[in-house]
Amino acid sequence: QSALTQPRSVSGSPGQSVTISCTGSSSDVGAYTYVSWYQHHPGKAPKLMLYDVDKRPSGIPDRFSGSRSGNTASLTISGLQAEDEADYYCCSYSIIYSILFGGGTKLTVL
Amino acid sequence: QVQLVESGGGVVQPGRSLRLSCAASGFRFSDYAMNWVRQAPGKGLEWVAVISYDASNEYYADSVKGRFSISRDNSKNTLYLQVNSLRTEDTAVYFCARGECSTSCPPDYWGQGTLVTVSS
Repeated sequence: QSALTQPRSVSGSPGQSVTISCTGSSSDVGAYTYVSWYQHHPGKAPKLMLYDVDKRPSGIPDRFSGSRSGNTASLTISGLQAEDEADYYCCSYSIIYSILFGGGTKLTVL
Repeated sequence: QVQLVESGGGVVQPGRSLRLSCAASGFRFSDYAMNWVRQAPGKGLEWVAVISYDASNEYYADSVKGRFSISRDNSKNTLYLQVNSLRTEDTAVYFCARGECSTSCPPDYWGQGTLVTVSS
C-alpha cells in the first residue's frame, strides 16, 4: 500500500514562507476533493490544518493555505513562526486504498 | 466540543489479541465515519481502517486485512478495533479519528491515542 510522497524535511526562518508538497496519483490526490493536511507535535493528537484541498477549519490562521495541481497537493505556510515547527502529513481519499497518508514532513524553523 | 478518548492499549505477546475502544462525545456519532490510524515508533501516520456511519461498510489497510476488525455501537457512541494475531510490527500508538464525512474520507478530529506494545 503506497504512501503519498512528501519531502522528508523542509526548513525556513521566522517570517519566511515554506511549501510542502504531496504527490499521489489520478486514483487519489488528483481525482478527489478529499485532501487534508495535519500538524503533529510528538505525543499529541494530530491537528487538522486544511481539508478539501484548501479549506481552513475554524481557528486555523490564514497563514496556512492549500492548493492542488494535477496529482500534487501543496501546503504553504507563510509568515513562519516558531510554533509552526512540527511534523506535517497529507491525507487523501483513494479509490484503491480508501485512505492514504503521506510519509510526513518535518518542518524546522531556523 | 468533539472529544475522542481511546482505551484498551497495553503490552501483549505476539499472536495474542486485544480490543481497543474509543468513546466519542460532543457530536452526533451516528452521522460520521470513524477511522483508526496508527503511528509506530519513529514512523509516520498509517491509516488502519474506516467504518461508515451506519457500519454498512468497512475498509482496511492491506497490512491488517484479515487480522483486524473495526466496529461501532452507535447507541453507546463507541468505536472499536479488534486486533488479532498481533505481530511486533503492530507496535504503535493507535488513534481514533472522526471522518469528515459519513462514508470513507480523511479524518478531522483525533483522539490522544492508546499505545499497543507487542513483545514477548
